Amino acid sequence: DSGVTQTPKHLITATGQRVTLRCSPRSGDLSVYWYQQSLDQGLQFLIQYYNGEERAKGNILERFSAQQFPDLHSELNLSSLELGDSALYFCASSVGQLVNYGYTFGSGTRLTVV
Amino acid sequence: DQQVKQNSPSLSVQEGRISILNCDYTNSMFDYFLWYKKYPAEGPTFLISISSIKDKNEDGRFTVFLNKSAKHLSLHIVPSQPGDSAVYFCAASSTSGTYKYIFGTGTRLKVLA
Repeated sequence: DSGVTQTPKHLITATGQRVTLRCSPRSGDLSVYWYQQSLDQGLQFLIQYYNGEERAKGNILERFSAQQFPDLHSELNLSSLELGDSALYFCASSVGQLVNYGYTFGSGTRLTVV
Repeated sequence: DQQVKQNSPSLSVQEGRISILNCDYTNSMFDYFLWYKKYPAEGPTFLISISSIKDKNEDGRFTVFLNKSAKHLSLHIVPSQPGDSAVYFCAASSTSGTYKYIFGTGTRLKVLA
């Protein structure tokens, strides 16, 4: 157990629907990062939050949004889902917001859009 | 634009031999590099890191080499064990203000008993 908790582990939904993925960071970690791993792709950075504020944005679609709450858990909202959104979504956390702190990853949420 | 590339999608090695996983990057601003290991149905786990001020970092059976002029890093596993069979990702970032790691597409290592 890495200490980073992601729920749900699996999600199957239809095109056009909206889903919310949840992440609880490791105790004491203030930064949360979201990554997407599609088939045969590396981990694509989506977005980072630090202590409730957005810190960096990657190739995140406009249909996707995220937030980090006062208790530091984070949610990734995916709307108007398309087949191509099917992927593994990972959350990671770290103590600080600078890159030379390591990431700790959760076990991911597998999203299947049908 | 793939700034971090792992050109070998897969690699098979006999148990006890050396495994060499390679990674190339294009952004000269990258100065901190990580290797992660991922087993099926689990998240990636941190393996080893290296800063650009070094050209080698060792941790037990794992050694990472960095060639800044070639923008190339490699992970050596000696001796390889069946439990090392996993997908290995390299990741790079710049410590000068950015907050994210750029990951490669991964190399699936299979260590044959």
